[in-house]
Amino acid sequence: QKEVEQNSGPLSVPEGAIASLNCTYSDRGSQSFFWYRQYSGKSPELIMFIYSNGDKEDGRFTAQLNKASQYVSLLIRDSQPSDSATYLCAVHLSGGYNKLIFGAGTRLAVHP
Amino acid sequence: GAVVSQHPSWVICKSGTSVKIECRSLDFQATTMFWYRQFPKQSLMLMATSNEGSKATYEQGVEKDKFLINHASLTLSTLTVTSAHPEDSSFYICSARDIRSTDTQYFGPGTRLTVL
Repeated sequence: QKEVEQNSGPLSVPEGAIASLNCTYSDRGSQSFFWYRQYSGKSPELIMFIYSNGDKEDGRFTAQLNKASQYVSLLIRDSQPSDSATYLCAVHLSGGYNKLIFGAGTRLAVHP
Repeated sequence: GAVVSQHPSWVICKSGTSVKIECRSLDFQATTMFWYRQFPKQSLMLMATSNEGSKATYEQGVEKDKFLINHASLTLSTLTVTSAHPEDSSFYICSARDIRSTDTQYFGPGTRLTVL
């Protein structure tokens, strides 16, 4: 059973702070990793994807990947109340399985 | 770019009726589309993978005769919930994978189904 683990939260951070969201996965052969944001009652929205070890930055978001540790994270700089949502980590399964496995999500609350 | 639409956005039906949900990729072609279901405060659950021109692949525990999937073109997949019952009430979300991309999935806005 391939798994993706996330802390359910809520992770509460003050406005302007850095929010750090973490994810571990069990499929050692996975090569593609994704972060989605889901507001309550809405569908997931793609934030970033990362394929290579290291950091990938896009605006206020930075994804970090460490395949050896089977760990992927998302940093949100200068957090805003509008960032309050559930963040889903997704991993593309290896071995020819044509699908993503999602974590249960971490709920982020940014308070003014 | 990478816009996926779903129709209807919400539907209420009586128990025993069938409901069809459409998923369209508006600005890209998708050989593969995915159907998910999400119950309140739970994570996404993949129901099936829809492949253009071939039969869908269903996840374990998902009844293929109850959840009929058709992927007739590179931009359209449909999910039909047959003989719906109150326990089928859920948020159904499709996603599409861009033919030019390896693994990235783009989600539609979802369809909220309520079965009375």
